[in-house]
Amino acid sequence: NAGVTQTPKFQVLKTGQSMTLQCAQDMNHEYMSWYRQDPGMGLRLIHYSVGAGITDQGEVPNGYNVSRSTTEDFPLRLLSAAPSQTSVYFCASRASGGGLNEKLFFGSGTQLSVL
Amino acid sequence: TQLLEQSPQFLSIQEGENLTVYCNSSSVFSSLQWYRQEPGEGPVLLVTVVTGGEVKKLKRLTFQFGDARKDSSLHITAAQPGDTGLYLCAGAWGGSNYKLTFGKGTLLTVNP
Repeated sequence: NAGVTQTPKFQVLKTGQSMTLQCAQDMNHEYMSWYRQDPGMGLRLIHYSVGAGITDQGEVPNGYNVSRSTTEDFPLRLLSAAPSQTSVYFCASRASGGGLNEKLFFGSGTQLSVL
Repeated sequence: TQLLEQSPQFLSIQEGENLTVYCNSSSVFSSLQWYRQEPGEGPVLLVTVVTGGEVKKLKRLTFQFGDARKDSSLHITAAQPGDTGLYLCAGAWGGSNYKLTFGKGTLLTVNP
């Protein structure tokens, strides 16, 4: 059972480049989310989805796009990367039945550097 | 956005010592979770507390939820080097079923 899989593990971009961070889960979880983790800032919610075709903004959505065409996948797109987007990105999923009391399963993260 | 304060930010202790990490908010939590994160990995859930005054134990870790559900603590007894990591609390407040807010974390180092 793979859980939540994120790719790539590391990425270096130049300012203005675009890229997609991939996230896939094999637990049939309806809820998926993206967080960024910065030193001294903790984990901050970027976007989340409660099911295929449904997405919503979190605390820091600017500069990021998401879509959810399948239950398994929830990619995060950076259309024009900026140095302020240098961070570690985590994808997380959980079953929806128990709401926020349910366990969040995290991927192992993508370390992104924007030069 | 609700604010969640976690303290201390850093903690370095010797093996065998006890320690307590705190998580506080000015608003009432509907539930609170504690996670542990190791370098290069995502956070892993340790416990969820939902009832005011609730105490949960996980081996040498004791989690307490305040009676008013505005604060929580994590106490580790006889810390071991394997306890080293980033401890995060994450809170949920009434009005949103989908947004979990994380504290900034406590980086614990247990020296042998």
